[in-house]
Amino acid sequence: ETGVTQSPTHLIKTRGQQVTLRCSSQSGHNTVSWYQQALGQGPQFIFQYYREEENGRGNFPPRFSGLQFPNYSSELNVNALELDDSALYLCASSLGLPNTEAFFGQGTRLTVV
Amino acid sequence: EDKVVQSPLSLVVHEGDTVTLNCSYEVTNFRSLLWYKQEKKAPTFLFMLTSSGIEKKSGRLSSILDKKELSSILNITATQTGDSAIYLCAVERGTGNQFYFGTGTSLTVIP
Repeated sequence: ETGVTQSPTHLIKTRGQQVTLRCSSQSGHNTVSWYQQALGQGPQFIFQYYREEENGRGNFPPRFSGLQFPNYSSELNVNALELDDSALYLCASSLGLPNTEAFFGQGTRLTVV
Repeated sequence: EDKVVQSPLSLVVHEGDTVTLNCSYEVTNFRSLLWYKQEKKAPTFLFMLTSSGIEKKSGRLSSILDKKELSSILNITATQTGDSAIYLCAVERGTGNQFYFGTGTSLTVIP
């Protein structure tokens, strides 16, 4: 149990719709990173939020956006869903310092039909 | 282009066997290498390696980093069915806690 919680656990959406995924970070952690894990692949870095500011972004289009709140919880928003967005979305909570580990939530399984 | 490559992609062994999983990387601004175990959804942290040649151990698992060869290995001795999982190698680069993952090695341990 990492203390990182994500909601919902599963979600089915139709192509073109929008979705919001949520993550509560571990107590004391001010950094949340989001990853997309397609079936049979390793997690891919989407972006990171540190103290409510975006602090790095992977190779994902602008329709992937996020927020971090004063309590350091975070949201991932995806607009104009595509079939290829179907994946497990993981958030990782950390201190945001180099050479420290990150702790993952259980993930949200998104299916786009 | 940055890349992290794990091998083998999958492995089936019998209980009691010893396995070695490999991870090689080509990443700019390397900071550390991490190993995670993923059984169902959430990857769980195993090791973080920052210095070359220093082995980290936790029970039957151990890992070592070779910065000269840009690689790491994860060893599991006396495997048990509970070790069945996907083992992910991740490299931390640049700004803190931003990880670049390999595809993973799927390990199946049969009784």
